[in-house]
Amino acid sequence: DVKVTQSSRYLVKRTGEKVFLECVQDMDHENMFWYRQDPGLGLRLIYFSYDVKMKEKGDIPEGYSVSREKKERFSLILESASTNQTSMYLCASRLGGAADTQYFGPGTRLTVL
Amino acid sequence: KQEVTQIPAALSVPEGENLVLNCSFTDSAIYNLQWFRQDPGKGLTSLLLIQSSQREQTSGRLNASLDKSSGRSTLYIAASQPGDSATYLCAVYTGANSKLTFGKGITLSVRP
Repeated sequence: DVKVTQSSRYLVKRTGEKVFLECVQDMDHENMFWYRQDPGLGLRLIYFSYDVKMKEKGDIPEGYSVSREKKERFSLILESASTNQTSMYLCASRLGGAADTQYFGPGTRLTVL
Repeated sequence: KQEVTQIPAALSVPEGENLVLNCSFTDSAIYNLQWFRQDPGKGLTSLLLIQSSQREQTSGRLNASLDKSSGRSTLYIAASQPGDSATYLCAVYTGANSKLTFGKGITLSVRP
């Protein structure tokens, strides 16, 4: 079975802190994604990567950056956390293109105080 | 721009009922459609993926259909159980930038 893991289930940070969210997949998938999920707004794509060291902006990249140094690991970085970044963050991976299922991690509930 | 709509936002049914969850999308030029389940505070679990060339997919008590030309998909759940209570999301893949576009989900409650 494909496994996507995220470094923390719950995280509490202070405004202005630099925050790292880590995601690891174990199935050699090409594509990896970071979403945030908020009540009433659904899932929104922040960034995605289709290869090592490659990244593409999603729908809401402002205030975030990403890093993919190894194929299995995709990191989301909040350079200076703000209260409006309090959310559920979900990582996902997919092998290749249209025929492939997208798999999600368990999520990280981030609270910024 | 692709938009995915799921109505109603919430549904409550008695145990044992057969039910249908609806999903509609605005751009019929899709490669596939995927149904997910999400339990409270958890990640998404893939239930079924239907390719654009397919009309339906089945897994156990679940059956998903796709009518690409009309921009609609349904998820049929047979003999619902309390354990089916969750939020069900549909998502379409249009190929543009390899992104899935998600609906906001239907929160299902199955009453014992």
